[in-house]
Amino acid sequence: AQKVTQAQTEISVVEKEDVTLDCVYETRDTTYYLFWYKQPPSGELVFLIRRNSFDEQNEISGRYSWNFQKSTSSFNFTITASQVVDSAVYFCALSEGSNTGNQFYFGTGTSLTVIP
Amino acid sequence: DAMVIQNPRYQVTQFGKPVTLSCSQTLNHNVMYWYQQKSSQAPKLLFHYYDKDFNNEADTPDNFQSRRPNTSFCFLDIRSPGLGDAAMYLCATSRTGRWETQYFGPGTRLLVL
Repeated sequence: AQKVTQAQTEISVVEKEDVTLDCVYETRDTTYYLFWYKQPPSGELVFLIRRNSFDEQNEISGRYSWNFQKSTSSFNFTITASQVVDSAVYFCALSEGSNTGNQFYFGTGTSLTVIP
Repeated sequence: DAMVIQNPRYQVTQFGKPVTLSCSQTLNHNVMYWYQQKSSQAPKLLFHYYDKDFNNEADTPDNFQSRRPNTSFCFLDIRSPGLGDAAMYLCATSRTGRWETQYFGPGTRLLVL
């Protein structure tokens, strides 16, 4: 079973539309961490956010916001008023545990295209 | 300011000809990772170093080796590249373990002819 599921393989939106990227994770650990990374066409993975399992507070950073819901094991990412520069592949990731041997899982990614 | 640097950005090699990719970091992080990413796929962890301790993923082929001579540098050696090894290779660092944020370099795109 996938530890991190990003059901949306590809999304296209018109510039200025809002878009939500879904992420569902699976873990039995009580301590875990969730991440979002952006990978633009240049290839570099850019860190966006890290959230620990004890902090369910939603977060907003400019046009970006994240909705963490442990009840549904989801950590969704919303871009408000999308821009062409938001076009990229977005990866959700899960890290379980809190020692050097812990596991890290990427989702399969969602490719977002923002059409001008 | 570059924090994780990878050289070269593009590397062309011939089938079976050894190749080395390099990564350096200015973050003074303890952990360095090498990932392989093929087209339209998520990055796949090959191995990582926690300080000098090498940790190989179970399914990483023996063809892939790594060296970390000091805190700042880490190398990926592909002893006999095959056509299937053509991919983007990403280096990342984190302060301690994988529960910490990983910071990625720009990647090296490897082409095998």
